[in-house]
Amino acid sequence: NAGVTQTPKFQVLKTGQSMTLQCAQDMNHEYMSWYRQDPGMGLRLIHYSVGAGITDQGEVPNGYNVSRSTTEDFPLRLLSAAPSQTSVYFCASSYHTGPPNTEAFFGQGTRLTVV
Amino acid sequence: GENVEQHPSTLSVQEGDSAVIKCTYSDSASNYFPWYKQELGKGPQLIIDIRSNVGEKKDQRIAVTLNKTAKHFSLHITETQPEDSAVYFCAASGVGNQFYFGTGTSLTVIP
Repeated sequence: NAGVTQTPKFQVLKTGQSMTLQCAQDMNHEYMSWYRQDPGMGLRLIHYSVGAGITDQGEVPNGYNVSRSTTEDFPLRLLSAAPSQTSVYFCASSYHTGPPNTEAFFGQGTRLTVV
Repeated sequence: GENVEQHPSTLSVQEGDSAVIKCTYSDSASNYFPWYKQELGKGPQLIIDIRSNVGEKKDQRIAVTLNKTAKHFSLHITETQPEDSAVYFCAASGVGNQFYFGTGTSLTVIP
């Protein structure tokens, strides 16, 4: 049982490049989400999914796309990277879409630098 | 949407002393309040949580209190140890299980 696995752990991109951050969970969780963590701003929700084929926007969705073709995987795509997207990205999953609301399990994070 | 505020942003305590971190929330529909601990280079991990039908919950040296009327909840760590040093996040969750996080508290326990 690996929990939530994110790849890569580190990435440097040039402005304008695209990339996909991978996230996989093996706990059969319905709910998956992406957050970005910036100094002094906590964790901000980018996109989330309540099940395969269903995604929605969070607080800061601009510049990011997601899809959910399977229960296990929830990739985050940066279409044209900008320096403002330099951040640490966390994927999380939880069992229920609520209620009752349940614990979110986080991956180890991807540290992305856009130069 | 929900707005969660967390204070203080940094906290230093002597080993063995208590630490208290406070959060407020704005949405009365929020009903689940977890606390996460994040160690350097790692993802946040749940340390304790409380639901809106409970006023207090304790797990060994860690306790959380919730005041629904005032919309605030607090984390209490007693007999702090150096391994308690980390960043702590509060969060609030309601309809749809979306989590709204506070801005974090960096706790340093001085040996």
